[in-house]
Amino acid sequence: DAMVIQNPRYQVTQFGKPVTLSCSQTLNHNVMYWYQQKSSQAPKLLFHYYDKDFNNEADTPDNFQSRRPNTSFCFLDIRSPGLGDAAMYLCATSRGGQKVYEQYFGPGTRLTVT
Amino acid sequence: DAKTTQPPSMDCAEGRAANLPCNHSTISGNEYVYWYRQIHSQGPQYIIHGLKNNETNEMASLIITEDRKSSTLILPHATLRDTAVYYCIVRGTSYGKLTFGQGTILTVHP
Repeated sequence: DAMVIQNPRYQVTQFGKPVTLSCSQTLNHNVMYWYQQKSSQAPKLLFHYYDKDFNNEADTPDNFQSRRPNTSFCFLDIRSPGLGDAAMYLCATSRGGQKVYEQYFGPGTRLTVT
Repeated sequence: DAKTTQPPSMDCAEGRAANLPCNHSTISGNEYVYWYRQIHSQGPQYIIHGLKNNETNEMASLIITEDRKSSTLILPHATLRDTAVYYCIVRGTSYGKLTFGQGTILTVHP
């Protein structure tokens, strides 16, 4: 089945130690998104790629970066994780273009910072 | 994107219809109403969307008022597996972000 895959599902990192989360998709969608969801809060968009074009949300901290080496893969890099970065990180994809398309979400990676 | 208002929580008996309301009084003419749900510890799942006509799919029905200032998501026969947070989102025609509000926690009980 076509899907959005996130690895790992659970990640533990130390305060200040760089960490990378990965997302892959078999849907061949143009657009890939990264959302952050803290405990008991709604998901919040960090950034998205339309093909190779990167779009950062204005309030996304500089500590968060992303790479999209090809259509299928997208990575979220957290350069120096703080305790406040502990959250569920959700990857989503959608088709791009003029029409309105739904987003398909992966299962998320739960990040713990110790 | 227009802001939405939803009740924080609702209960529903298993087998009955669940009717989840959403207010979006500042919606503009080219904005769609989307519904997603998030079951505990999973990623959000798309349910349905509409512009001005009522819509139905295998999961749910979406009723949008004539003035488009509010809508209702209907799960016709709720099951225990429908227990989730339901998000009503208004967005324009671009491919851009979904702005999630706080949603409605729907609890389906036996």
